[in-house]
Amino acid sequence: AQSVTQLDSQVPVFEEAPVELRCNYSSSVSVYLFWYVQYPNQGLQLLLKYLSGSTLVKGINGFEAEFNKSQTSFHLRKPSVHISDTAEYFCAVSASKIIFGSGTRLSIRP
Amino acid sequence: EAGVAQSPRYKIIEKRQSVAFWCNPISGHATLYWYQQILGQGPKLLIQFQNNGVVDDSQLPKDRFSAERLKGVDSTLKIQPAKLEDSAVYLCASSLLGTAESSYEQYFGPGTRLTVT
Repeated sequence: AQSVTQLDSQVPVFEEAPVELRCNYSSSVSVYLFWYVQYPNQGLQLLLKYLSGSTLVKGINGFEAEFNKSQTSFHLRKPSVHISDTAEYFCAVSASKIIFGSGTRLSIRP
Repeated sequence: EAGVAQSPRYKIIEKRQSVAFWCNPISGHATLYWYQQILGQGPKLLIQFQNNGVVDDSQLPKDRFSAERLKGVDSTLKIQPAKLEDSAVYLCASSLLGTAESSYEQYFGPGTRLTVT
């Protein structure tokens, strides 16, 4: 069985500050890892994915994530956030099927 | 390229009534998913189709939920009768059938927000 845990339900940060959204997973087999973003009243949009290869993955809108197999983590980072990054972010893990975390709401303060 | 289309965007019904949602995936995408997203939670997979066959419906409450994808393109999800706990956003997604990489990249529609009173 596989599972994914997003440790923070809400993360408030100031504009232009760095941010890290945490994600941990568990699985007995190799998995693919994803981060999706959901803007208000919209569907989910893929930010980035880790399938294999380099453990540092770069995505859209300046986000990046690092796969750490020993710590079973896939944390999302951005060095400088913008107001437009206000959204809910979902980490997901996929082996036989995709499982989503409960989400982290990122709120940006001006 | 047109995205995943869903209708209606919003629906309010009373408990014990029935409701249906429609999804049109991206052209050429063989795999279609229906998710239930309850407020404050991540999406939960209800059913996955590959062309017009069911791949996974293990989390679909089959006593009240049904879904079909008759011609391998559009899909409908039905709830009959609805319960208060069915209030959620119902998301449809699609992906290519091909390499493992492309099949895991899902494209989501805007969702249908269902309120059961």
